[in-house]
Amino acid sequence: DTGVSQDPRHKITKRGQNVTFRCDPISEHNRLYWYRQTLGQGPEFLTYFQNEAQLEKSRLLSDRFSAERPKGSFSTLEIQRTEQGDSAMYLCASSLLSVNTEAFFGQGTRLTVV
Amino acid sequence: AQTVTQSQPEMSVQEAETVTLSCTYDTSESDYYLFWYKQPPSRQMILVIRQEAYKQQNATENRFSVNFQKAAKSFSLKISDSQLGDAAMYFCAYRGNSGYALNFGKGTSLLVTP
Repeated sequence: DTGVSQDPRHKITKRGQNVTFRCDPISEHNRLYWYRQTLGQGPEFLTYFQNEAQLEKSRLLSDRFSAERPKGSFSTLEIQRTEQGDSAMYLCASSLLSVNTEAFFGQGTRLTVV
Repeated sequence: AQTVTQSQPEMSVQEAETVTLSCTYDTSESDYYLFWYKQPPSRQMILVIRQEAYKQQNATENRFSVNFQKAAKSFSLKISDSQLGDAAMYFCAYRGNSGYALNFGKGTSLLVTP
C-alpha cells in the first residue's frame, strides 16, 4: 500500500455536468476526509467518514454534493450540475482512529468547470 | 469556530540559512493539536511536524522545530539549514481534541535560493 490514491488526477467538465471522484485510503485507516482547496487558499473541510458512517458535513457541502463510503473502504464524491465555482482541487485524506494520529493526504483531483 | 492565520503569503531563504514561518490561531478550547503541513508543487501534502497543546515542550523533527506559545496562541515553524527541497507551500493547521477536521491557514509559499 503506497498511500492515499485519488482518481482521476484531473477532470475538465462542462458546466451542468455531473462528476464523480474516487478516493482509496490507506487500507487500515478507519477515518476518511474530503477537503476542497481553491487557488491561493488552504484546504477547506467538506466531510468526514468513520468507517462507512458519514459523521460530519461542512456547510460548504451543498445539495449538489454527495459523498459515500460503502463498506468503509473507498469513497466517492459526486458533484451534480457542476458550476464554475466548483473548480478546485479536491483532496482526500485518511487516518487511523486514534485522536492524535496523522492524516495522510492523496495527490488530489483537480476539477476545472468550463 | 477556530481560525488559523498565516500572515506571510511568501517567504524567501537562502540555502543553509534559517527561516521562521508564522502562524496564529483562535480557539476557546484548552486541548487541541497543531500541525505544519508541506505541499510541494503538484505533489501531495505531507506532515512536517505536530504539537499537542497539553505538552509544554516544543516539538522537533530533525531540521524542523516549532515555537509553541499557548497563551499567545502562536505556533511558528523554524526550518534550519534550509535545503532546495524545502521549497513548497507550508500550511499551519488546527484540530480540536473532540473534532475531526483540520482547519488550515492560507499557507506560506517558501522559496529557497541557492
